[in-house]
Amino acid sequence: QPVLTQSSSASASLGSSVKLTCTLSSGHSTYTIAWHQQQSGRAPRFLLELEDSGNYNRGSGIPDRFSGSTSGSDRYLTISDLQSDDEADYFCEAWDSGVRSFGGGTRLTVL
Amino acid sequence: QLQLQESGPGLVKPSETLSLTCSVSGGSINTRGYYWGWIRQPPGEGLEWLGSIYYRGNTYYKSSLKGRLTLSVDTSKNQFSLKLKSMTATDAALYYCATQREDGSTLLWGQGTLVTVSS
Repeated sequence: QPVLTQSSSASASLGSSVKLTCTLSSGHSTYTIAWHQQQSGRAPRFLLELEDSGNYNRGSGIPDRFSGSTSGSDRYLTISDLQSDDEADYFCEAWDSGVRSFGGGTRLTVL
Repeated sequence: QLQLQESGPGLVKPSETLSLTCSVSGGSINTRGYYWGWIRQPPGEGLEWLGSIYYRGNTYYKSSLKGRLTLSVDTSKNQFSLKLKSMTATDAALYYCATQREDGSTLLWGQGTLVTVSS
């Protein structure tokens, strides 16, 4: 199944935009992935599902400040107009024939 | 709206079996196209998928846990459960239950339950 690679940390200023990356392992560039947000001390929350075409579907109640895009094996999560409560860990998820995997997560700091 | 709630002992002795239950409310576990899964997170670390089960009993397990992990579903109680044998300190984690689309993403997570392994 796919291995997902994420940078361990990222930072951006309040009100700006940030683009987080999740890279699929070789041979898995067509896979759909999901992005999840985990604020400190809280359970993860599903943000959006992102196809290799770049099409994405946000979860219920997720603001349109969260968007997805794709380039080859890279799957991106862009957060615009950063708010203080966007400071969190962001994980990507992939699946294949019932088996699931998660990336190591990116800790986003809002400056 | 759909909610998931984990329950079980917070403390397990080494070599014993961990038993956790996830209660589903606001919806039926007998929903076609959705799996019910378990994911854990050691303190300060990332997420590890453990396994998933369909309401009919079909299961998928993380390969490294096969033989130790058993998932089951009780449709009459709208619950699903996890049993993990031979617990060690490396199994200490926050355990989450979740619902997942068949061939799709994890959509909703429970609040998680912390499991400590100690004698």
